[in-house]
Amino acid sequence: DVVLTQTPVSLLISLGGQASISCRSSQSLVHSNGNTYLHWYLQKPGQSPQLLIYQVSNRFSGIPDRFSGSGSGTDFTLKISRVEPEDLGVYYCLQRTHNPWTFGGGTKLELK
Amino acid sequence: EIQLQESGPGLVKPSQSLSLTCSVTGYTITSGYDWSWIRKFPGNKMEWMGYISYSGSTNYNPSLKSRISITRDTSKNQFFLQLNSVTTEDTATYYCARAGSFAYWGQGTLVTVSS
Repeated sequence: DVVLTQTPVSLLISLGGQASISCRSSQSLVHSNGNTYLHWYLQKPGQSPQLLIYQVSNRFSGIPDRFSGSGSGTDFTLKISRVEPEDLGVYYCLQRTHNPWTFGGGTKLELK
Repeated sequence: EIQLQESGPGLVKPSQSLSLTCSVTGYTITSGYDWSWIRKFPGNKMEWMGYISYSGSTNYNPSLKSRISITRDTSKNQFFLQLNSVTTEDTATYYCARAGSFAYWGQGTLVTVSS
């Protein structure tokens, strides 16, 4: 199985600050069709995960441009600028390139 | 608006079967996409369990081997999870979701395996 390693496990950020989360894969996430199926989610307390970024760098509908995704191959990054209170929760990366689909271990974003 | 909702027992005894239903509104499950089950264990670990496609084919996580079955009732626009021979390690919050980029999720249902 593809292992996704997320770092850091937890992140203390001040309101208005910037956060960066890394997701490293044990193998390349480039699909044979050329697409890279690496997505990012935020799970707020008491809620279901919500899609933030799909296929590395595409913001989902309604997601503010404070969220950005980048990377290629095995190394991916989610950046959150100007952190707001509603950004708090656990962030996950997910790969859907290789079967079985797998999640990163999660990164908890908390306020400093 | 696409909505998914899980339902089923919140408590299952060890060695028995866990059965959950996902009811979908706002989209017909035979129109497209794969329809998945995902679970979140106590702590943060998430596991994709499997899916049933819009055409009815299935794909399961090998970690669940022969314990899992995902079926559907197209007349009710529902799909189902059955997990056999459960143990306490199957205690988790279970989500149904529309695969693709998993843009749509149910609210989740906590299933506790305990005698």
